[in-house]
Amino acid sequence: AQSVTQLGSHVSVSEGALVLLRCNYSSSVPPYLFWYVQYPNQGLQLLLKYTSAATLVKGINGFEAEFKKSETSFHLTKPSAHMSDAAEYFCAVSKGGSNYKLTFGKGTLLTVNP
Amino acid sequence: DTGVSQDPRHKITKRGQNVTFRCDPISEHNRLYWYRQTLGQGPEFLTYFQNEAQLEKSRLLSDRFSAERPKGSFSTLEIQRTEQGDSAMYLCASSLAAAGARDNEQFFGPGTRLTVL
Repeated sequence: AQSVTQLGSHVSVSEGALVLLRCNYSSSVPPYLFWYVQYPNQGLQLLLKYTSAATLVKGINGFEAEFKKSETSFHLTKPSAHMSDAAEYFCAVSKGGSNYKLTFGKGTLLTVNP
Repeated sequence: DTGVSQDPRHKITKRGQNVTFRCDPISEHNRLYWYRQTLGQGPEFLTYFQNEAQLEKSRLLSDRFSAERPKGSFSTLEIQRTEQGDSAMYLCASSLAAAGARDNEQFFGPGTRLTVL
């Protein structure tokens, strides 16, 4: 079975500061890993995905994540936070690629202070 | 391409009533997924279709829930005899699954927020 754990249900940063959202996964098979963002009253939007190619994955809006098998982690980072980054972020895992059911973490709410 | 659409966006119902939600996927997508998201939680998988075939159902999908995708296009999710615990956001997603293409993204709709009084 696959699962993800997101450390920290709420992260607060200042505008311009580093964003670090943590995700650890558990998977019995090589995982496919994803980060999604959800703005209020909207559906989820894919930020980036790891599909066993490069371990450092670059996504939209300046976000990136690094797959570390030894640490079973897939943390999301952005060098400089922008006010528009305030949203909820979900890490997800799939054993069968993007075209298979996703197992999500509980989410991390990111607030950005001016 | 107008993305995944869901109707209605909001539904308030009384306990014991039946409700039905509709999802229209992106037109060329052959896979369609339903997820449920409760307050403070991530989305949880309910079921998915490949064309009109329902390939997997979660244990979360009790006998009161039924999903269909009759012609492999839009899908409906019906909840019979609603309970207060059914209050949640119901999300639909679609993707294009093709041989050798394991990396096609799931696109999510805006969701239907159900409130059971």
